[in-house]
Amino acid sequence: SQTIHQWPATLVQPVGSPLSLECTVEGTSNPNLYWYRQAAGRGLQLLFYSVGIGQISSEVPQNLSASRPQDRQFILSSKKLLLSDSGFYLCAWSPTANQPQHFGDGTRLSIL
Amino acid sequence: QKEVEQNSGPLSVPEGAIASLNCTYSDRGSQSFFWYRQYSGKSPELIMFIYSNGDKEDGRFTAQLNKASQYVSLLIRDSQPSDSATYLCAVPDSGGYQKVTFGIGTKLQVIP
Repeated sequence: SQTIHQWPATLVQPVGSPLSLECTVEGTSNPNLYWYRQAAGRGLQLLFYSVGIGQISSEVPQNLSASRPQDRQFILSSKKLLLSDSGFYLCAWSPTANQPQHFGDGTRLSIL
Repeated sequence: QKEVEQNSGPLSVPEGAIASLNCTYSDRGSQSFFWYRQYSGKSPELIMFIYSNGDKEDGRFTAQLNKASQYVSLLIRDSQPSDSATYLCAVPDSGGYQKVTFGIGTKLQVIP
C-alpha cells in the first residue's frame, strides 16, 4: 500500500531564516505531488504541484519554491521566511488529477 | 478561475440526525468529485468520491451528484459527535490541468 511521509510535524523559525520541508511517497511510482498551505481557519491554498521529476508548476508567486529531485520526493523551500509564511503546510499525492489526493500529516510552521 | 463553493457553517445538527453538506462547482467539464473530512489540527482524510450522476452510499455516508446542476452533496446519517469536523469538497480541474480545486469547507457540529 502507498504511504506518504512529511516532516517535521512542527517547526518554529525566525523571520528571515531559510526553510526546507520534505515529503516522500512510498509504494507507487510517478505520482502527482502537491504542496498546500492552510492558514488558521482558512481553506487549502495550492502552492505547487508536480507531475514528474523536475517538473514544477507554481500557483502562487511568493518567496517559496519547490523541487522534485527524485520521483517520490517533493521539497518546499524558502531562502528567507516572512511572518506571512506561517501556517499548516500539507503535502499530498495522487496517481492522476482525476483520482483522490492523499495527504501527509502536515507541518505546522510558526514564524517568530 | 475554477470555483468550488461551500457554506462555511457551522452547521449544527443533533446526534442521530441527518447532516446535509452541499457544494457547487463552476467547471462543467469536471468528471470526479471528492469529499474530505478534516478534524481540527489534522490533515484532510478522504471519505467519499463519486464519478457518476446519482447516489453513492458507503456506510453512513451518501454522496449525491447532479452534473446538470453542477451540484454535489454529502449526507451523513445517524450523525455522531465524532463526525464533528470540517468537510471539504474537492473537484479536479478539467482540460488537462493536473490539479484540484478545494472548497473552503463546511464546519459540522454534532450536538450530543
